[in-house]
Amino acid sequence: ETGVTQTPRHLVMGMTNKKSLKCEQHLGHNAMYWYKQSAKKPLELMFVYSLEERVENNSVPSRFSPECPNSSHLFLHLHTLQPEDSALYLCASSLHRDNSYEQYFGPGTRLTVT
Amino acid sequence: AQSVTQPDIHITVSEGASLELRCNYSYGATPYLFWYVQSPGQGLQLLLKYFSGDTLVQGIKGFEAEFKRSQSSFNLRKPSVHWSDAAEYFCAVGGRKNTGFQKLVFGTGTRLLVSP
Repeated sequence: ETGVTQTPRHLVMGMTNKKSLKCEQHLGHNAMYWYKQSAKKPLELMFVYSLEERVENNSVPSRFSPECPNSSHLFLHLHTLQPEDSALYLCASSLHRDNSYEQYFGPGTRLTVT
Repeated sequence: AQSVTQPDIHITVSEGASLELRCNYSYGATPYLFWYVQSPGQGLQLLLKYFSGDTLVQGIKGFEAEFKRSQSSFNLRKPSVHWSDAAEYFCAVGGRKNTGFQKLVFGTGTRLLVSP
């Protein structure tokens, strides 16, 4: 595997379910990000982990819970979601080097909450 | 506060014609600017970036962009569009960070349609 991978690619869940999204980067990066992409809205940054420490949390509801066990893996744990949480969830990673932080994105998980 | 405006929601271009996608940003210091492309069902792919130096930057797939500080713009161009360029294009702005990550602000995107 190369780049940034995300599983599953598609997920349908009920409002009472608990599920997790997984992201893995194979680029040797040390920062990882979760974004939410909804129709007709700009990408929304949800969480940032730098060197496995959460450094940004953009007022995201507690029903979304991130976890970064190491620099290559990032999870987003979901529970009691609402229909408005249906969206494409994108993971990205970047490398802290010479102030050059371009982010590389995974293909996303298309989440539908029923 | 940082912001990015992409004034065109949709653009249709004939195959072989030239393309320019507009991007205007608001940022209080020297910006880092990016263009990403997203094909249906895919994540975002970095086309090009501007950090400093030459204001005309070359990217992948034959794209280029020009940073114009006086106009707060970073427009994306391609001299001859191919049908495979049909996708959604996102402009993003961020700043210099010493904290090991960068917070990007994205525009709402421009959907490019290519007609035969």
